[in-house]
Amino acid sequence: EAGVAQSPRYKIIEKRQSVAFWCNPISGHATLYWYQQILGQGPKLLIQFQNNGVVDDSQLPKDRFSAERLKGVDSTLKIQPAKLEDSAVYLCASSFANYGYTFGSGTRLTVV
Amino acid sequence: QKEVEQNSGPLSVPEGAIASLNCTYSDRGSQSFFWYRQYSGKSPELIMSIYSNGDKEDGRFTAQLNKASQYVSLLIRDSQPSDSATYLCAVGGSGAGSYQLTFGKGTKLSVIP
Repeated sequence: EAGVAQSPRYKIIEKRQSVAFWCNPISGHATLYWYQQILGQGPKLLIQFQNNGVVDDSQLPKDRFSAERLKGVDSTLKIQPAKLEDSAVYLCASSFANYGYTFGSGTRLTVV
Repeated sequence: QKEVEQNSGPLSVPEGAIASLNCTYSDRGSQSFFWYRQYSGKSPELIMSIYSNGDKEDGRFTAQLNKASQYVSLLIRDSQPSDSATYLCAVGGSGAGSYQLTFGKGTKLSVIP
């Protein structure tokens, strides 16, 4: 089966600019997650979708981050405006039931 | 706030030895437990899942779960240099249909040839 697709792989932006990341989950996986992984730390959940509805966005900094999942498939995560502390790897994952996640390759964001 | 604790390491073991990685969690109602391997610059890869108390073996890997002690471990037998990576412990939620995982910070393992 095809894996979780993410793009772009790398992005360098200046602080206060905006950026968007795209994710396409494994076909048939209803649940989609966005995680932020800062160097040397474990992944931290930003938002969880079930189909096209938000299940948990309690840790999403809503003043600058937004995410959507149209038609219950692809998802986009946006940051506007970016801060230096947003430099991290942004991981998208999808899951079927309770069998664990499959992660995409991630987007490495550098804010300068 | 759910917490998952791991020793950050680094843990160094000689090639052929057993590597033992440990994890504790705070949510007593957690029902699912996973170990992910993450190579430098790569995304996490699922290597083991365990849902019931006891041991689960898969090749050179054995996951152990003790819900009473809120403790999960991963043993890697006959460690190889290719096992050098960061190992992330992940714990699932306690509610019905709660598949969200909370991750530890990871333990960095180095297998010395």
